[in-house]
This record gives sequence, C-alpha cells and structure tokens, in this order.
Amino acid sequence: GEDVEQSLFLSVREGDSSVINCTYTDSSSTYLYWYKQEPGAGLQLLTYIFSNMDMKQDQRLTVLLNKKDKHLSLRIADTQTGDSAIYFCAESGTGRRALTFGSGTRLQVQP
Amino acid sequence: EADIYQTPRYLVIGTGKKITLECSQTMGHDKMYWYQQDPGMELHLIHYSYGVNSTEKGDLSSESTVSRIRTEHFPLTLESARPSHTSQYLCASSESGYNSPLHFGNGTRLTVT
Repeated sequence: GEDVEQSLFLSVREGDSSVINCTYTDSSSTYLYWYKQEPGAGLQLLTYIFSNMDMKQDQRLTVLLNKKDKHLSLRIADTQTGDSAIYFCAESGTGRRALTFGSGTRLQVQP
Repeated sequence: EADIYQTPRYLVIGTGKKITLECSQTMGHDKMYWYQQDPGMELHLIHYSYGVNSTEKGDLSSESTVSRIRTEHFPLTLESARPSHTSQYLCASSESGYNSPLHFGNGTRLTVT
C-alpha cells in the first residue's frame, strides 16, 4: 500500500533556509503536494509537482523531486516566523480515492 | 481561493449526545472528504463521497455517519458521542480528477466530556 514518511520536527533560525523532507513508497504516484497547517486551521495547499518534473520554484518555495529514490523536499528560503507551522507532504495516483498524507513536520522558526 | 466552511469551529459536549458537524463548499466540487486529525498531527480519512448520494467509508474505522443529499453539503453525524471521539475533524473537497488537490475547511475541534 501507499506510505508517506516525514520527520516530525525541524527548528531553524529566522533568515535561514528550511528543508523539509518526505519519502514515499508508491512508484505510480502522479502528483505530489505540500500543504501547510497553521494552529487551529485547516490545511492550505502550498504547491505541487507532477511526477515527471525534477524541480518547481514558486517565490521562496522550491520543490525537488527525486523519483528514483522516491524523495520529495520543500525548501523555504529566508524563513520567517510566520512560516512556523506543520507541513504535510501528500501524494496521489490513478485510481486512488484520496490523497495519502505524511504525518507532518512541525517547523519552528526561532527569532 | 477555496470556499469551504465548517461549523462549529469548537464544540464541547457531554457523553451520549448526538452531534452533527456541518461542512459546505461553494465550488461545485463533486468529491468531498472527512478527515480525523489526532493530537500527533496525522490525518486519517474516515469518509468520502464522489457525488450526490455516494458515500464510502475511509481508511480509519469511525462510528460516525455521513450523508450527501446536495453537492455542496456533507454533514457528519455522531449518534452518541464518547470521549474517544474527541479530535479535530477536517472537511475537504476536490474536483473529480484523481490528481485534483484537496481544499480544506478550518476544521471542527470536538471535545466530548
């Protein structure tokens, strides 16, 4: 079955870059997503990448995909205190009824 | 901008009460979902719907039930709440394609005393 793994916690200083990593098991994954959850809120879609792409950049966010190793990462440049949140990796595939989510990485940004 | 609304945001209720968590979306999405989020952050799919009059149970067994009489509305009901039902409940919707991203509401935090 599908499985998505993430590390639980990451702490960085304000202004540094953050890199949040994710691994998945299903080689038939077609899209991979990053969601952000702030305290007391639902999940907000940040960005996504199609499985035939290696990289996608969107302002401060860079997504890297290594399909061979089934590894996805989200890099946040110039991390701000407002970036403190839980970040979820998710993947989808043909025939699936819903996205498969990782367990989330809590990003703490220290001033 | 996604328009999906959940009410109430917070609910504290006694054991044995019947409750309904509301979820509505204005995007005309066919697919809707309910996730339960435990304190360890992990999301568990408990119900989903492909469209009107279509509902299926998710990956995590749940004593709750859902209905989909209208496209925009996907309420979740607990006939008799128990402390073990205390959790955050997140509703989401998406377009029909398999790879369509999910749009989430802000959630309902339920506490059963």
